[in-house]
Amino acid sequence: KNEVEQSPQNLTAQEGEFITINCSYSVGISALHWLQQHPGGGIVSLFMLSSGKKKHGRLIATINIQEKHSSLHITASHPRDSAVYICALNNAGNMLTFGGGTRLMVKP
Amino acid sequence: DAGVIQSPRHEVTEMGQEVTLRCKPISGHDYLFWYRQTMMRGLELLIYFNNNVPIDDSGMPEDRFSAKMPNASFSTLKIQPSEPRDSAVYFCASSLNRYGYTFGSGTRLTVV
Repeated sequence: KNEVEQSPQNLTAQEGEFITINCSYSVGISALHWLQQHPGGGIVSLFMLSSGKKKHGRLIATINIQEKHSSLHITASHPRDSAVYICALNNAGNMLTFGGGTRLMVKP
Repeated sequence: DAGVIQSPRHEVTEMGQEVTLRCKPISGHDYLFWYRQTMMRGLELLIYFNNNVPIDDSGMPEDRFSAKMPNASFSTLKIQPSEPRDSAVYFCASSLNRYGYTFGSGTRLTVV
């Protein structure tokens, strides 16, 4: 079993829809990251969480340490949100362990 | 700050040739990471440095891969000799202390 599991693997939404991407993990962590990778390939760090909730624009990330679960929400989705979203864990030694990614397509 | 700078953006080389990928981390960051991304295996950590010292290279596939960080502002990842299965996107990232990763734009390597 992978240490990090993301769901869904693929997601298609209509513009304006509320989107949720989930990340579950099975190990102790010091922080969890949500990354965004656009079709051009560059990786952008969206959030780093160790507890609670963070919000940036239309993006919201939450984490429940007890349940070992995090969610990334996108409100009022837009075609420019189309990308791969990757959950990554900070474990011992400051190494990142990556989930398999969620490929999101938002249609106009 | 211009962010993490990687070069080249694209590299096409013939099997058996030496390939050198370069990375300039964000000034002041004390951690530097090299990752490889393939369709089959996703993102994998190859090696990381702390204050220019290699800490963990257990992700380096084999002896054909080597990485150096001669100073705080420069790192290289070298593959010699290159093989078609090395074709991937190689990312460099840096961070301050243990958090706040910033990724470079990546180098897309194709070995034919």
